[in-house]
Amino acid sequence: DVKVTQSSRYLVKRTGEKVFLECVQDMDHENMFWYRQDPGLGLRLIYFSYDVKMKEKGDIPEGYSVSREKKERFSLILESASTNQTSMYLCASSNGGLSNQPQHFGDGTRLSIL
Amino acid sequence: GQQVMQIPQYQHVQEGEDFTTYCNSSTTLSNIQWYKQRPGGHPVFLIQLVKSGEVKKQKRLTFQFGEAKKNSSLHITATQTTDVGTYFCAGPGGATNKLIFGTGTLLAVQP
Repeated sequence: DVKVTQSSRYLVKRTGEKVFLECVQDMDHENMFWYRQDPGLGLRLIYFSYDVKMKEKGDIPEGYSVSREKKERFSLILESASTNQTSMYLCASSNGGLSNQPQHFGDGTRLSIL
Repeated sequence: GQQVMQIPQYQHVQEGEDFTTYCNSSTTLSNIQWYKQRPGGHPVFLIQLVKSGEVKKQKRLTFQFGEAKKNSSLHITATQTTDVGTYFCAGPGGATNKLIFGTGTLLAVQP
């Protein structure tokens, strides 16, 4: 079974802090994704990566950056956290095509920015 | 840009009643996926439909892809409390052909 592990289940940070969310997958998947989930808005794609060191902007990349130095690890960085970034963050991975293969999700990180 | 809308946003049923959620895309889709997210959990892949008019079944769940490949539905027969959760559809779209998720339908089942 695919395992996608996110480093923290809950995280509380302060406005202006630099925040790192880590995600690791154990199935040698090519593609990794970061989403945020907010009530009534569904899942919105922040960034994705289809290979090591490759990254592409999703629908809502502003205020975020990512890093993929190793195939199994995809990090989301909030450069200067703001209260409107309080949300549930979900990492996912998949193999093959970006949109025609199942995505496997981690348990999520509920991030609160105070 | 491309949108994937789901209706209803929320449905409350008595256990044993049927349930249907509908997914509509503003553009034609090459495929559509369905996910289920239990309360407090993460989305879990259920199924993918590819062909126009395709119908697939998983026990009490029936998935359908429209003839025009712009809409899809998920029907649950005789709901059980284990069906509780949010059901998302997702289809490819955007400049990079990434997966776009619908807004989801939250199903509540009263015993």
